[in-house]
Amino acid sequence: QVQLQESGPGLVKPSQTLSLTCTVSGGSISSGSYYWSWIRQPAGKGLEWIGRIYTSGSTNYNPSLKSRVTISVDTSKNQFSLKLSSVTAADTAVYYCARGPRGSSSDYWGQGTLVTVSS
Amino acid sequence: VIWMTQSPSLLSASTGDRVTISCRMSQGISSYLAWYQQKPGKAPELLIYAASTLQSGVPSRFSGSGSGTDFTLTISCLQSEDFATYYCQQYYSFPWTFGQGTKVEIK
Repeated sequence: QVQLQESGPGLVKPSQTLSLTCTVSGGSISSGSYYWSWIRQPAGKGLEWIGRIYTSGSTNYNPSLKSRVTISVDTSKNQFSLKLSSVTAADTAVYYCARGPRGSSSDYWGQGTLVTVSS
Repeated sequence: VIWMTQSPSLLSASTGDRVTISCRMSQGISSYLAWYQQKPGKAPELLIYAASTLQSGVPSRFSGSGSGTDFTLTISCLQSEDFATYYCQQYYSFPWTFGQGTKVEIK
């Protein structure tokens, strides 16, 4: 069974770049027709879709974040990554990575990692 | 952007109750709708996709219906482990969006 695990700094300073990695285990990130997503959730609030990537490199981003977001994939490491630039306190949230079959919704999620933006 | 109105935001119910949660879209999305369950401190778990298809391993007391703009999640006989927050999500057009969530609490 596929498992996803987020990793990265839990504290980022304002104006800096948030960088997270999602490591996929239990299967190859390149196998099958899947996309790989990032979703975030501020404390006590709802879910916000950030974007997704296919292993072909094709991406889709949320326009509200598009100018600051980059999602990339490293098939040799079975990982995909999120970079969010020029962060502010509003970017403080639990960040989740997830997998989804092409044309469907995300079926496997990581446990989430809390990122706090503070000086 | 497709706006979603999920209701109610809070639902008080007892074990054994039948409960329904609604999700209304600002425009039609065919059947590109999913329902997730989230418990405190945990990641969301997929319950239903394509509006009415039960994810593998999900109990049959959960069901989904609807297409176009109006969708419903029904729990036929609420169990203790079902007290959680539920979200709908559309994946018809970008940006994918989630409903505001419905917290199902013990009455």
